[in-house]
Amino acid sequence: KNQVEQSPQSLIILEGKNCTLQCNYTVSPFSNLRWYKQDTGRGPVSLTIMTFSENTKSNGRYTATLDADTKQSSLHITASQLSDSASYICVVSPFGNEKLTFGTGTRLTIIP
Amino acid sequence: KAGVTQTPRYLIKTRGQQVTLSCSPISGHRSVSWYQQTPGQGLQFLFEYFSETQRNKGNFPGRFSGRQFSNSRSEMNVSTLELGDSALYLCASSLALLDSHTEAFFGQGTRLTVV
Repeated sequence: KNQVEQSPQSLIILEGKNCTLQCNYTVSPFSNLRWYKQDTGRGPVSLTIMTFSENTKSNGRYTATLDADTKQSSLHITASQLSDSASYICVVSPFGNEKLTFGTGTRLTIIP
Repeated sequence: KAGVTQTPRYLIKTRGQQVTLSCSPISGHRSVSWYQQTPGQGLQFLFEYFSETQRNKGNFPGRFSGRQFSNSRSEMNVSTLELGDSALYLCASSLALLDSHTEAFFGQGTRLTVV
């Protein structure tokens, strides 16, 4: 069964600190892995999209890594800001006619 | 460039009724996908439409259906509503199918409450 697990479920850090969110998946074979940021009450916004052949991709202060051998991905946030407070969702898209598989997300809270 | 528009934003329905939600994708986008988001289950994929054809479907009962029109606008219908259908329903549009590497843009969602 295709699964995507994220950890931690929630995280609280001080403004200006760095943090790393984890995503482990069992989807195979997969086409791409995406990280989304979702603010409360709003739709998700894409941060990165990585294919199975990519190891790292950055979007400003967000850097995603992918290890297709161990089926793990991480999202690293540098110099956190209050606006980074949100849920971060990992999504794996398999090849062919298979449904997308979502992680349950990590709720990140940045405190001043 | 206008984003993805979902209407209505909020909806309250009674058990047993049916509901239709609408999604207008970004101009030029041909793929529209629908998702249900609840606190307990998180985001779950409902279905994806491309060029008026359903291309992919999640694990939801037949009460959940959808369609896509020639202008790529899409509607989702839920019949015989149950309390458990209360959720945020999101749609996303993209240039190509989701198993490509195309970026998907989400709307703000429709908050459905079934009482």
